[in-house]
Amino acid sequence: NAGVMQNPRHLVRRRGQEARLRCSPMKGHSHVYWYRQLPEEGLKFMVYLQKENIIDESGMPKERFSAEFPKEGPSILRIQQVVRGDSAAYFCASSPYTGTVNYGYTFGSGTRLTVV
Amino acid sequence: AQTVTQSQPEMSVQEAETVTLSCTYDTSESDYYLFWYKQPPSRQMILVIRQEAYKQQNATENRFSVNFQKAAKSFSLKISDSQLGDAAMYFCAYRSPNSGNTPLVFGKGTRLSVIA
Repeated sequence: NAGVMQNPRHLVRRRGQEARLRCSPMKGHSHVYWYRQLPEEGLKFMVYLQKENIIDESGMPKERFSAEFPKEGPSILRIQQVVRGDSAAYFCASSPYTGTVNYGYTFGSGTRLTVV
Repeated sequence: AQTVTQSQPEMSVQEAETVTLSCTYDTSESDYYLFWYKQPPSRQMILVIRQEAYKQQNATENRFSVNFQKAAKSFSLKISDSQLGDAAMYFCAYRSPNSGNTPLVFGKGTRLSVIA
């Protein structure tokens, strides 16, 4: 049973380009969370999705950032027109169903985005 | 909103000795969940230990134990018999028990060095 898979592991983009980060949750998990970790900081919540639904996007910047979790395929975090301040590690986590709140859920290894 | 504070940006410990990492949090909720995560240089977020606030007994996992002081809103992590592999960033995290899968709130982390 593979864990949470994120790709790419490293992504370099020039300012103004688009970044697409992918996350495949653990088998059987239908809830996905995206977090961002700035250098020397803890993880900050961005968005919580279930299949085909955004449940909570309170941590996501209003502009340039979007997320989806389609019925088939991985969850995608999209950053349009990237700026240097978007450089960070982006983590995805997944959990099975509602009611597992006592668990800290399972994280992927993250995607390190560098904007040059 | 809940906040988590880790007041020690860096700590060091001699191999085989014991070290305690501090964490305090602020919440108005009476029931919640607390976690310690380890992040080695590989960037993988690894769940070390978790504590349910309604349980008075402190959680333990092998060499890792917590000192949970609910009234003081304190949740420290004790690592006994420290090993070189314990060197990592350690993050304290809080999770609300509200229905649905609520996101984790992280502290800024403590970098632990283990000296041979």
